[in-house]
Amino acid sequence: SQKIEQNSEALNIQEGKTATLTCNYTNYSPAYLQWYRQDPGRGPVFLLLIRENEKEKRKERLKVTFDTTLKQSLFHITASQPADSATYLCALANTNAGKSTFGDGTTLTVKP
Amino acid sequence: GAVVSQHPSWVICKSGTSVKIECRSLDFQATTMFWYRQFPKQSLMLMATSNEGSKATYEQGVEKDKFLINHASLTLSTLTVTSAHPEDSSFYICSARQGGTGELFFGEGSRLTVL
Repeated sequence: SQKIEQNSEALNIQEGKTATLTCNYTNYSPAYLQWYRQDPGRGPVFLLLIRENEKEKRKERLKVTFDTTLKQSLFHITASQPADSATYLCALANTNAGKSTFGDGTTLTVKP
Repeated sequence: GAVVSQHPSWVICKSGTSVKIECRSLDFQATTMFWYRQFPKQSLMLMATSNEGSKATYEQGVEKDKFLINHASLTLSTLTVTSAHPEDSSFYICSARQGGTGELFFGEGSRLTVL
């Protein structure tokens, strides 16, 4: 069966360090992978999308890598700040117009 | 980015009543919208795909007569929880895509509490 696993339920790091979150998947051939941020009691907010033929994407302090051989995506936040504390969700979609399936999320806490 | 508005943000109702939640794309047209349910500390569970002008596509295990979805225009989809029971209490979220770019834009979510 198809499965999306985000490496840990919670991640605690010190301000200024780089946070690295992992998203592994099985039995998928995704057209693209997305990362979202969700704050408590709010809807998710889109961060980055990376397609199957792309290896890496960056946006300001965020970087996403996508390894279709390992079936893994890594999400990095450099120079982390307490304001980065939130739950981060990865999602896979098999087609451009298809539905996305979400992982359970990793809750990141950045301590000052 | 595109804006999706969801209303109401929270609602409390008595068991047996029906509740309607609206999802609007404010600055773009969305032929497809998605409805999710989220339990505490869990991920988004896709309930159904809402298609403008046609019937919604429900995920396995989701009762279509219980969760009525209507997508009457290119900017509005509604989810009606019929004959609500306490086990229907949850956080309901909608999303939409702008064009064919892939990313989803989410509403703020609606917290439903059934007494």
